[in-house]
Amino acid sequence: GENVEQHPSTLSVQEGDSAVIKCTYSDSASNYFPWYKQELGKGPQLIIDIRSNVGEKKDQRIAVTLNKTAKHFSLHITETQPEDSAVYFCAASRVFGNEKLTFGTGTRLTIIP
Amino acid sequence: SQTIHQWPATLVQPVGSPLSLECTVEGTSNPNLYWYRQAAGRGLQLLFYSVGIGQISSEVPQNLSASRPQDRQFILSSKKLLLSDSGFYLCAWRSPPSGKTYNEQFFGPGTRLTVL
Repeated sequence: GENVEQHPSTLSVQEGDSAVIKCTYSDSASNYFPWYKQELGKGPQLIIDIRSNVGEKKDQRIAVTLNKTAKHFSLHITETQPEDSAVYFCAASRVFGNEKLTFGTGTRLTIIP
Repeated sequence: SQTIHQWPATLVQPVGSPLSLECTVEGTSNPNLYWYRQAAGRGLQLLFYSVGIGQISSEVPQNLSASRPQDRQFILSSKKLLLSDSGFYLCAWRSPPSGKTYNEQFFGPGTRLTVL
């Protein structure tokens, strides 16, 4: 089955700097890669996703890149703000049928004011 | 728009007591439904998923069970709770698979269960 590894487990950055979280996956048939943000005591929120037919996707201050050859994808947050502090999870899935999401172990991001 | 509800939000139960957590989804039909557990400071573990009424797939052996009595209702149960059942329980849904949908799962607010 799919295995997703996520690094780093914790990350602290100064407000205004950029943050990068990286994930690798094992199943070459995976072609859907979402990112979730989980604030304390809440359910994870889907913030951005990328599909295997594109290499990069941006949404305001967040972007995700995908390298299918190397089987890794990354989340980039620019101009970080205190409200970006949360735990971020990457995930991978095949597309068709009743496929399951395989999650990474999470990155606790702390933005230092 | 679609919304997902879970209750209760928090629950403290003694060891050996029964459990019933409920999840309901609004604004969609025939969703896939999922139960996850998240231990403190840990990742997401898939417990059960359902592709239709009465159809339940179990991912890990345990003393928990799930049921789907209605299209948009998913229930997580236990007859006798263990200490190790403590955690944050999350329900999620996605649109039924088709050629145009990806595996976008949307999570509920969660239930914090403490077993004492």
